[in-house]
Amino acid sequence: NAGVMQNPRHLVRRRGQEARLRCSPMKGHSHVYWYRQLPEEGLKFMVYLQKENIIDESGMPKERFSAEFPKEGPSILRIQQVVRGDSAAYFCASSRSGEQYFGPGTRLTVT
Amino acid sequence: KNQVEQSPQSLIILEGKNCTLQCNYTVSPFSNLRWYKQDTGRGPVSLTIMTFSENTKSNGRYTATLDADTKQSSLHITASQLSDSASYICVVRKPNNAGNMLTFGGGTRLMVKP
Repeated sequence: NAGVMQNPRHLVRRRGQEARLRCSPMKGHSHVYWYRQLPEEGLKFMVYLQKENIIDESGMPKERFSAEFPKEGPSILRIQQVVRGDSAAYFCASSRSGEQYFGPGTRLTVT
Repeated sequence: KNQVEQSPQSLIILEGKNCTLQCNYTVSPFSNLRWYKQDTGRGPVSLTIMTFSENTKSNGRYTATLDADTKQSSLHITASQLSDSASYICVVRKPNNAGNMLTFGGGTRLMVKP
């Protein structure tokens, strides 16, 4: 059973470009969580999704950020018009109903 | 405000030595407390989980303790190995199913030197 997969592992974008981060949950998991980790800080919750539904997006910035978890395919975290402050590691976690299992993360660098 | 504070921020020890990492939290009520190990460039991996009624939990050379009265937890690593070099994160879970059910500490960065 493969673990949570994220791609790309590293992403470099120039200011103003769009970043798309993908997360494939573990087999049988229908709950997906996205977290952001700034350098030297703890993980911060962004958004919680189940298949085709956003359950809780209270941690996500109101502008430029969006997330989806379609019926088929991976969950996508999309950041439009990236700025330097978006540089961080973005982690996805999935669960069946309890424990969350984390992916390896995508390290986004905005130049 | 619900918070999880960890100390020290970083720690260097020699291979074979023991160490203890601390976690203080103000999250209340809480469902459980986990310690995670996060290797550089990887996602966090769970080491131990304790509910409020448990005082100690071991996983090999890792032993976690919990004092729910003082809201403190510790992670003790015995006979450290080079592969123990990582960040150790204390995570407290609230008793709900909201997206922000987990509150993460900032982690302790441990370096084990030969």
